[in-house]
Amino acid sequence: QKEVEQDPGPLSVPEGAIVSLNCTYSNSAFQYFMWYRQYSRKGPELLMYTYSSGNKEDGRFTAQVDKSSKYISLFIRDSQPSDSATYLCGLLRVQFYFGTGTSLTVIP
Amino acid sequence: KAGVTQTPRYLIKTRGQQVTLSCSPISGHRSVSWYQQTPGQGLQFLFEYFSETQRNKGNFPGRFSGRQFSNSRSEMNVSTLELGDSALYLCASSLATLAGSTDTQYFGPGTRLTVL
Repeated sequence: QKEVEQDPGPLSVPEGAIVSLNCTYSNSAFQYFMWYRQYSRKGPELLMYTYSSGNKEDGRFTAQVDKSSKYISLFIRDSQPSDSATYLCGLLRVQFYFGTGTSLTVIP
Repeated sequence: KAGVTQTPRYLIKTRGQQVTLSCSPISGHRSVSWYQQTPGQGLQFLFEYFSETQRNKGNFPGRFSGRQFSNSRSEMNVSTLELGDSALYLCASSLATLAGSTDTQYFGPGTRLTVL
């Protein structure tokens, strides 16, 4: 069983939509959770991180962690064409573990 | 500040050959990690180097090896290439002085390796 599971998509939404990206993980020892964004032909860049259960907001982005369900989510409000990218969830336990990434396209 | 640089950006090799990829971290970063990214498996950790010592290793065969130099630059080598080694190889650097640190990893653009 993989440490982190992520729906690869692809996901295609109209501009202005709310996007929900999700990952599940298997080991309750994970305590640090991240979301990375990767544009085509670029390396991933850190979007958000959180340690605790609950929500963390940063502008149009909200990271949500539910440790009891081992479930993490990233919500994007008022999605823009510039949000079109692959989003990877990441977790840390001695080393970093990443999901396979969800490809998102926001259509103008 | 310059970001993480990787060379070459693209590489085509044939089965059985060996390849060396290079990574220059952000100035001041002593931790360098390597990842393999494929559509099916996603981003998988290969190994991490800190101050010229490998301090963490993922679950990859011994054909994958690396090293780090005194200036923190790192190289990754893959010997006896297989078709399944075709992937994007990413290098990430961070300020992390402790293994398992939460310090942000900054990724380079990657080297796209194609094995024919």
